[in-house]
Amino acid sequence: DGGITQSPKYLFRKEGQNVTLSCEQNLNHDAMYWYRQDPGQGLRLIYYSQIVNDFQKGDIAEGYSVSREKKESFPLTVTSAQKNPTAFYLCASRRTGTNTGELFFGEGSRLTVL
Amino acid sequence: GENVEQHPSTLSVQEGDSAVIKCTYSDSASNYFPWYKQELGKGPQLIIDIRSNVGEKKDQRIAVTLNKTAKHFSLHITETQPEDSAVYFCAASKPGGFKTIFGAGTRLFVKA
Repeated sequence: DGGITQSPKYLFRKEGQNVTLSCEQNLNHDAMYWYRQDPGQGLRLIYYSQIVNDFQKGDIAEGYSVSREKKESFPLTVTSAQKNPTAFYLCASRRTGTNTGELFFGEGSRLTVL
Repeated sequence: GENVEQHPSTLSVQEGDSAVIKCTYSDSASNYFPWYKQELGKGPQLIIDIRSNVGEKKDQRIAVTLNKTAKHFSLHITETQPEDSAVYFCAASKPGGFKTIFGAGTRLFVKA
């Protein structure tokens, strides 16, 4: 079955540590996204990538980094510079070059900083 | 900047009643308006979408209406069931669609 796989589902981190969240898709989508979700708030865009080896900052990129070395993979690193990293992180993908705008989401990774 | 406002933030209805969630967008260039449903601990899933060349779209118990002049769009769920309980997000995007702007979400409770 095609889809997006995020791992780990739950992650605990001590303050000052970097952590990397994995996102893999087998939908052959060009575009991939990382969103952050906090209680009572919508989805806020962290980074997005329209094509391999290219990515752009979203609305809340500070304290995060990404890479896009392969079409299928778009890992997100939460660095120690992120002041409030405890949140639910969602990865998504979308076809480009078509009229469809649907985003396909993974099941999310919940990061808790101890 | 681009903004999508969503109301109400919480909605509680009795099973069998209808539920309506409303959104307003700020960018008149927006032409694609999806609605996503998010169940607890899961990622959002598209349930219905509408494009700016259409005023209304229906899929069984759910429908979406769009008023381009007022920059409003709404989700209507009829004959609600307990399994409709979830968080619903509206969103808007422009041609090219690389960025999608989401509303803050509505938590819907359907009481049996």
